[in-house]
Amino acid sequence: GAVVSQHPSRVICKSGTSVKIECRSLDFQATTMFWYRQFPKQSLMLMATSNEGSKATYEQGVEKDKFLINHASLTLSTLTVTSAHPEDSSFYICSAQPTDRVIYEQYFGPGTRLTVT
Amino acid sequence: GQNIDQPTEMTATEGAIVQINCTYQTSGFNGLFWYQQHAGEAPTFLSYNVLDGLEEKGRFSSFLSRSKGYSYLLLKELQMKDSASYLCAVGDAGNNRKLIWGLGTSLAVNP
Repeated sequence: GAVVSQHPSRVICKSGTSVKIECRSLDFQATTMFWYRQFPKQSLMLMATSNEGSKATYEQGVEKDKFLINHASLTLSTLTVTSAHPEDSSFYICSAQPTDRVIYEQYFGPGTRLTVT
Repeated sequence: GQNIDQPTEMTATEGAIVQINCTYQTSGFNGLFWYQQHAGEAPTFLSYNVLDGLEEKGRFSSFLSRSKGYSYLLLKELQMKDSASYLCAVGDAGNNRKLIWGLGTSLAVNP
């Protein structure tokens, strides 16, 4: 149980284009999902908290107009990187938190490696 | 402020036991979590502690002392596949349900 999928796993795009990444909880409902990015050999950096039916909460320094988050259902959140630039190249990982749990454990998707050329 | 400390790197020998420590100073506490992350992959959930004491799960055990702001992850009968980064995280207080992450301990298991 507690499986999270993420699509695509790898994407290469040209500078100035937009990329959408989907995160789905396959066997549980998730009112709350999280989006992280991770640079090589560095720790996870939380970008935003995504709550179903409401606006995402962004961490300090993360541009909400550049990283658009939509959490339209209890099993799906999307992250759209708009007008991508080479410095946006990174490993993006989502996680989902089961709605029915009191404890804050998060289950991660396999990640999306974004390369902007 | 929020601070979670764990060693940057550790090495151990196959078949041995290794203990990875984590100390935390956070404004609130909603559980202590351990995750494993292999290179190039996403983290996987290992364990959590809410109350003081030891939680055992097969070869992995996790300990918590809330009064000391201290936890450790114990890995027994080490295998080569245990070479990975181990992340300590604390559940944040309040309604945001976030985890506050340590920088991770990179464990190398040698034959």
